[in-house]
Amino acid sequence: AQSVTQPDIHITVSEGASLELRCNYSYGATPYLFWYVQSPGQGLQLLLKYFSGDTLVQGIKGFEAEFKRSQSSFNLRKPSVHWSDAAEYFCAVGGGATNKLIFGTGTLLAVQP
Amino acid sequence: DTAVSQTPKYLVTQMGNDKSIKCEQNLGHDTMYWYKQDSKKFLKIMFSYNNKELIINETVPNRFSPKSPDKAHLNLHINSLELGDSAVYFCASSQVSGETEAFFGQGTRLTVV
Repeated sequence: AQSVTQPDIHITVSEGASLELRCNYSYGATPYLFWYVQSPGQGLQLLLKYFSGDTLVQGIKGFEAEFKRSQSSFNLRKPSVHWSDAAEYFCAVGGGATNKLIFGTGTLLAVQP
Repeated sequence: DTAVSQTPKYLVTQMGNDKSIKCEQNLGHDTMYWYKQDSKKFLKIMFSYNNKELIINETVPNRFSPKSPDKAHLNLHINSLELGDSAVYFCASSQVSGETEAFFGQGTRLTVV
């Protein structure tokens, strides 16, 4: 069955520090992979997506993610975190016959000054 | 212009009542979804419609009944509300089920008292 694991429930980083949020997926075919961000009281906003091609994808707000098939991972990175990046981050997988996006449990990012 | 809009944003009601949440998308997408986000922020798909036809019903109690009058609208009606129905409900749409990014509404926070 398809699934997404985000091992880190809560991460705290200092402003200006680099960030990596982990995502592992289980999917039988080539996955469609997504990262979303949810600010408090808001809906989900797409940060970036991977369908095929270059395994390093660039997204909005300076985020990037790398698809590693051998590790079944799609980790999200940002070289320098801003206080406004504090939010909940969700990894999701979709594709093929699933007809839906399956979300991970989310990682709550806190940014300290 | 809001891409996916849902109303109301907040809904407080008593147990046993019936309520509806409305959703509209102006993106021209073929697929619409309802997701439920629980108090731990876990996002779980409830229903998916493609061109007004139900394609996913994820073991949701039959007190929940989605209705899609046309492909731009997907409403959610809930009968006999229970305390456990309290959650944030998100409407979303995508061009192709599970294979393209989903665009989310702002959510409806339902509180059953």
